[in-house]
This record gives sequence, structure tokens and C-alpha cells, in this order.
Amino acid sequence: DADVTQTPRNRITKTGKRIMLECSQTKGHDRMYWYRQDPGLGLRLIYYSFDVKDINKGEISDGYSVSRQAQAKFSLSLESAIPNQTALYFCATSDLQLGVTDTQYFGPGTRLTVL
Amino acid sequence: SQQGEEDPQALSIQEGENATMNCSYKTSINNLQWYRQNSGRGLVHLILIRSNEREKHSGRLRVTLDTSKKSSSLLITASRAADTASYFCATARSGGSNYKLTFGKGTLLTVNP
Repeated sequence: DADVTQTPRNRITKTGKRIMLECSQTKGHDRMYWYRQDPGLGLRLIYYSFDVKDINKGEISDGYSVSRQAQAKFSLSLESAIPNQTALYFCATSDLQLGVTDTQYFGPGTRLTVL
Repeated sequence: SQQGEEDPQALSIQEGENATMNCSYKTSINNLQWYRQNSGRGLVHLILIRSNEREKHSGRLRVTLDTSKKSSSLLITASRAADTASYFCATARSGGSNYKLTFGKGTLLTVNP
């Protein structure tokens, strides 16, 4: 079984709808991240969480919110989806070593289309 | 803003040839990592090099880091069609921003059989 899973894998929705993307991990890592990927722009960080009680905004958090329900679960919500949020969304986890972020482990991604 | 910038944006080679990709970054780092992404899939970690290291090997991969030039290179030797993917560098900054990685825009490598 995959260590980092994301649901759904694909989603088409309409402008104005609320959408939740879910991420679960079995790696036992404290740190979890949400990224979006757009063609030609690489990955951009939306939110990250160091533990259940610690959630931080990334570089593009506007229009998004997150919930860390447990160490293993980190959800991303689009409160009112808009077309420019059409993108590939990735969840990732990492383990803190020597005070520095080391390897990140990515989920398979969720392809979201907002019409 | 992007911390790492890969060069070239796209690279096409024949199977068996070597592929070299470069990454430049702007600020001091603690480590630099390379990831691979097959089309539409999640990123997979390839190799990590710390700021006090100059070269690192893993199988057919060789990574170099030049902190004075703020640059890194990834060499894939004896490439295979299965190496076709996008390759991203990611930097972990030293100091107060060490909580996250900053990814570049990637190099698309195509290995022709």
C-alpha cells in the first residue's frame, strides 16, 4: 500500500462549489504539506503543518484552508472554487531531522478542474 | 518566488547518452534535493546533498554542489527510456526558513530509444 494517499484522484467541479481534498499517510511523519502544480510554474506551497496544532500558510494560501485532523490526516479545502484553481494538487510528508527539512514523500496527486 | 531554477527547461537525448541538468539558487541553503516526476504523477526523491558536501553519487546519478556559485548539477549516466521524466531541484534554506523546500520549475528530460 502507498505511504501517502490522496482522495479523490480526479475531480471536476463548478465555480462557487466547496471542495475538500484529503490526504492520509502511514509514514508516521509529523510534517505535512499541500502544493499545487501548474504547467511551467513548478510546485508552489499552499499550507504546511508541523503537527496537529501547528498550521502555517505557504506562498499561495488565499482561497484555501486546511485541517489537520490527526497526525496522519491533512485536508485541503477550497471554500468557493474558481477556475484559476484548476491544477494538480499534491500532498507531501517529511520527517524532521537535525532541525532541517529532509526528504519529502509525495502522494499521487489530485487533478482538480473548476469549470 | 522560485528559489531554484533548472536549466535547460527541456532536454532530449538518445538512450545510452548522459544527461546533465543544472540548478541555480539565490540564498544560502542547508541542503539541495533532486526529485523526479513521471508525467502527471507524484514527485519521487532522488538524492539529497548537504551544503558541506561537494559531490554525491547514487547508482547512475551524480550530483554536484557549488555553494560559491549557488549552483548544482544532476548527471544521469547511460540514460534509459525509463528516465524520461521531469526533474526538479528543491532547496532547504539555512536559518529561519528551514521548514520547507522551495522547488524550481523543472527540466523535462526525454530519452529516445
